[in-house]
Amino acid sequence: QQQVKQSPQSLIVQKGGIPIINCAYENTAFDYFPWYQQFPGKGPALLIAIRPDVSEKKEGRFTISFNKSAKQFSLHIMDSQPGDSATYFCAARYSGAGSYQLTFGKGTKLSVIP
Amino acid sequence: DTAVSQTPKYLVTQMGNDKSIKCEQNLGHDTMYWYKQDSKKFLKIMFSYNNKELIINETVPNRFSPKSPDKAHLNLHINSLELGDSAVYFCASSQDVRGGYTFGSGTRLTVV
Repeated sequence: QQQVKQSPQSLIVQKGGIPIINCAYENTAFDYFPWYQQFPGKGPALLIAIRPDVSEKKEGRFTISFNKSAKQFSLHIMDSQPGDSATYFCAARYSGAGSYQLTFGKGTKLSVIP
Repeated sequence: DTAVSQTPKYLVTQMGNDKSIKCEQNLGHDTMYWYKQDSKKFLKIMFSYNNKELIINETVPNRFSPKSPDKAHLNLHINSLELGDSAVYFCASSQDVRGGYTFGSGTRLTVV
């Protein structure tokens, strides 16, 4: 079973803090690791993504750190804002036999307090 | 312009009924998907489909069936609805090589 384990389940930080969400995977054949952001009543939206040949990727206030040997990756949100309050999902893609399905972690509900 | 659109947004129906959810994407993507999000927010793949192949998650009951009239549409038909089918269903699409999914805004299905 291809799994992606995500933690914590929920996270509360003060405005300006740096929430960190962690994910771990088992299948070394995963070749693409995106993060999605979901607001209530909306579909998940692609936030940032990384491939396993890169150790870090930064886009604005969002950074992915990737540790291939440990099979772990994490999302850091710099200078967090109340508008960042949402559910965040990590995911991993297996590309094999013509399939490009994403397997999602169980999500982290982030609350940023003003 | 909405990239991936689903209809209806809300669907309330009785047990045993048959219902359909429609999905359309205007991104020119090759592959479309259906995901189920349960009350705990867990996203689970149900189907992926491109013009070559339908891949079905083996845990999905055969009461669920995808229908694709063309590359831009993937509809979900559900027969004999059960209480446990209540969830939010998301359609998504991707251009496979690049990997990113674009999701629709979801259909909240409530079976009473």
